[in-house]
Amino acid sequence: DIVVTQTPLSVSVTPGQPASISCKSSQSLLHSDGKTYLYWYLQKSGQSPQLLIYEVSNRFSGVPDRFSGSGSGTDFTLKISRVEAEDVGVYYCLQSIQLRGFTFGPGTKVEIK
Amino acid sequence: EVQLVESGGGLVQPGRSLRLSCAASGFTFDDFAMHWVRQAPGKGLEWVSGISWNSGSILYADSVKGRFTISRDNAKNSLYLQMNSLRAEDTAFYYCTKNWGYNPSGWFDPWGQGTLVTVSS
Repeated sequence: DIVVTQTPLSVSVTPGQPASISCKSSQSLLHSDGKTYLYWYLQKSGQSPQLLIYEVSNRFSGVPDRFSGSGSGTDFTLKISRVEAEDVGVYYCLQSIQLRGFTFGPGTKVEIK
Repeated sequence: EVQLVESGGGLVQPGRSLRLSCAASGFTFDDFAMHWVRQAPGKGLEWVSGISWNSGSILYADSVKGRFTISRDNAKNSLYLQMNSLRAEDTAFYYCTKNWGYNPSGWFDPWGQGTLVTVSS
């Protein structure tokens, strides 16, 4: 089974400063169909998760352009160019390349200093 | 607007059963795969199960395989999760979520508000 890890597990950021979260997969997430099955979600306190990024680098509808995703194969990064107060929450990466199932990373808690 | 409303959660004893439902609206339900994802209180997300638009493709996490059954009724725009032989470690908020396409692959969004299942004697 694919194991997904995230670092750091927690980060405190000054508003207006950048933040970066790493997600690593134990196997390549590049499928033979050409897609890379890596996604990013944000769960704000008391809310359901919401999709931010699909297929590594595509911002979902309504997601501000301060969010960006990059990476390939097994190593991926979510970057927030200038953190705002509303960005506080737990960020999860998700792999879904295996038809056996989907795996979330452990989550990264982003707080404001 | 897409709406997903889960119901059926509650307190149940270990070894007993519970059936969750998810009522969908705001989209053509039988055009999309659906999933259940759970989250133990204060913990991370765990994908549980997914089902294709026509129930022809069904996936389960190893942790629930053989105990949980996902199903759907397209005529009623509803998704279900039959949970048998429940264990304390099944205690979690259970979320229903819509897949982007008709097979259970890729990404899913939006999510319902979740229903809490507590397994305890």
